[in-house]
Amino acid sequence: TQLLEQSPQFLSIQEGENLTVYCNSSSVFSSLQWYRQEPGEGPVLLVTVVTGGEVKKLKRLTFQFGDARKDSSLHITAAQPGDTGLYLCAGDRDDKIIFGKGTRLHILP
Amino acid sequence: DAGITQSPRYKITETGRQVTLMCHQTWSHSYMFWYRQDLGHGLRLIYYSAAADITDKGEVPDGYVVSRSKTENFPLTLESATRSQTSVYFCASSETQGINEQFFGPGTRLTVL
Repeated sequence: TQLLEQSPQFLSIQEGENLTVYCNSSSVFSSLQWYRQEPGEGPVLLVTVVTGGEVKKLKRLTFQFGDARKDSSLHITAAQPGDTGLYLCAGDRDDKIIFGKGTRLHILP
Repeated sequence: DAGITQSPRYKITETGRQVTLMCHQTWSHSYMFWYRQDLGHGLRLIYYSAAADITDKGEVPDGYVVSRSKTENFPLTLESATRSQTSVYFCASSETQGINEQFFGPGTRLTVL
């Protein structure tokens, strides 16, 4: 059973469009992280959300942690080709980080 | 250069052979991790280490051996490689355990024939 479910698995949209990807769990997490991974590289941390209901913005990226701390979303405004990559959410379980399977995002120019 | 490096970047080996993947970090981070990344499974933790000479199993440790004699190095050995161990392997480090930022290496793509 996957503890962190990410959706959609794949998303291909045109440059300039908005999109939202999701990370859901039936378990409560003390905090969640979002990483972005580009082809041929390791994941890089984008943000950590720690408070239920918290919203964090990173330029065109908006991250939200659900009130119940079971889910998170990533919204990208006016997507650009540079946003292309694999987006992974991660949560703390027994002092180890576990990862979702990711959303593979492709922005078409 | 500071950071976390992995070698080799690509490796092809045959079933039954021993293979060692190297990982080196220059931050003096206490924690180091080995993950494998496979389509349909995402990133799965193989082993981790809290400090030199302290290692522990992750989610998928079978068929792998690790050691950590120095803080900066964390090699991963496949004692007798199997085709199911074909994967991309990532090493990571962090200052502390838990939901702290992990810094990942560039990965090693291993193919077992």
